Amino acid sequence: DTEVTQTPKHLVMGMTNKKSLKCEQHMGHRAMYWYKQKAKKPPELMFVYSYEKLSINESVPSRFSPECPNSSLLNLHLHALQPEDSALYLCASSQVGGQGGGYTFGSGTRLTVV
Amino acid sequence: GNSVTQMEGPVTLSEEAFLTINCTYTATGYPSLFWYVQYPGEGLQLLLKATKADDKGSNKGFEATYRKETTSFHLEKGSVQVSDSAVYFCALSSYSGGYQKVTFGIGTKLQVIP
Repeated sequence: DTEVTQTPKHLVMGMTNKKSLKCEQHMGHRAMYWYKQKAKKPPELMFVYSYEKLSINESVPSRFSPECPNSSLLNLHLHALQPEDSALYLCASSQVGGQGGGYTFGSGTRLTVV
Repeated sequence: GNSVTQMEGPVTLSEEAFLTINCTYTATGYPSLFWYVQYPGEGLQLLLKATKADDKGSNKGFEATYRKETTSFHLEKGSVQVSDSAVYFCALSSYSGGYQKVTFGIGTKLQVIP
């Protein structure tokens, strides 16, 4: 299995809602990532998990809460978002070592905050 | 820190034309280099990679050679098709103690017209 699966593909939520994005991989990768991508921009790193522990939080607002329940799953919990948080949210995974294999990305969740 | 510079698009070509998208990088150590492609409404897909100097990555008719002396990793294809229309991101990765730190270029939009 060489895929990273993200659900849902599309999500519309109000500013008072609570929702979660889910990411799953079965490639044996022990590093997982959340990225945010706005239109016509490169992806921006939000969080990095290594061996299921949070390694990097790129000063992301607390209305985004990541969770890594096991080595295959990565969640992003959303609460009280703002319209400017509307974007494509991408999950990725990789090996943890220096093998230089790069990331495998999921197809993303297109989030619209209304 | 690490950085990637790639030509701004959009690049518009006729079908069967030759493609070059320039990419240069600044990095310490020995990064791995990548080209990712993003089709409309989708996540990023790894197109090709090179992990050391003089390596040539290739896939689907696309090629890029890791040139350490010029710190470049230009993407080329001899004859583009309409289906190659997408955004292309040059990227480098370096090992950062338990995960891979990836730096992306700004992305170059390619439009191929029949």
